[in-house]
Amino acid sequence: NAGVTQTPKFRVLKTGQSMTLLCAQDMNHEYMYWYRQDPGMGLRLIHYSVGEGTTAKGEVPDGYNVSRLKKQNFLLGLESAAPSQTSVYFCASSSPMLTRGGEQYFGPGTRLTVT
Amino acid sequence: GENVEQHPSTLSVQEGDSAVIKCTYSDSASNYFPWYKQELGKGPQLIIDIRSNVGEKKDQRIAVTLNKTAKHFSLHITETQPEDSAVYFCARREYGGSQGNLIFGKGTKLSVKP
Repeated sequence: NAGVTQTPKFRVLKTGQSMTLLCAQDMNHEYMYWYRQDPGMGLRLIHYSVGEGTTAKGEVPDGYNVSRLKKQNFLLGLESAAPSQTSVYFCASSSPMLTRGGEQYFGPGTRLTVT
Repeated sequence: GENVEQHPSTLSVQEGDSAVIKCTYSDSASNYFPWYKQELGKGPQLIIDIRSNVGEKKDQRIAVTLNKTAKHFSLHITETQPEDSAVYFCARREYGGSQGNLIFGKGTKLSVKP
């Protein structure tokens, strides 16, 4: 099993450009999450999904959109990138809390710089 | 969700010493408390967790204790080794909360000096 994978690993964008980050998991997890990590801020939840075709907002959703067209994939989109979105982005997945423990497994991250 | 306070933000110990990281929370509905280790350039990795019906859990050199009355939980690493150097994050999850969403502390950078 590859676990949780993310593409790309690094990206530099100019202000106003758009891009999509891809997350894939092969653990058949129902839940998937997108976090951003900034120095001194820990991990903050952007959006999450509890199943194919469903998405919901997290703590810091503004400026981002997501889609979960397939159970194994969770896409994070930036329509018009801003310097404030410079961060490291992590995807995670888990099984439902009340069934198989609900532990979240993280991908290796995408380092995004917006100039 | 309400924040998790994590202390200290940095911790330096000599190899072989113990390290303790403490987290406090205010929401009594929290029922699951994981700890993650993040090495440089990598994603967080779950190292141990504890649920609200247990006061302590051990896994080799790592242990976690939970005091629900005082609303704090701690990570204990004994006989530290240089490879324990990393950033450690605590987190909490609410009982019945939004599909397992975790609320993370801001992290502790642990340095183990040989």
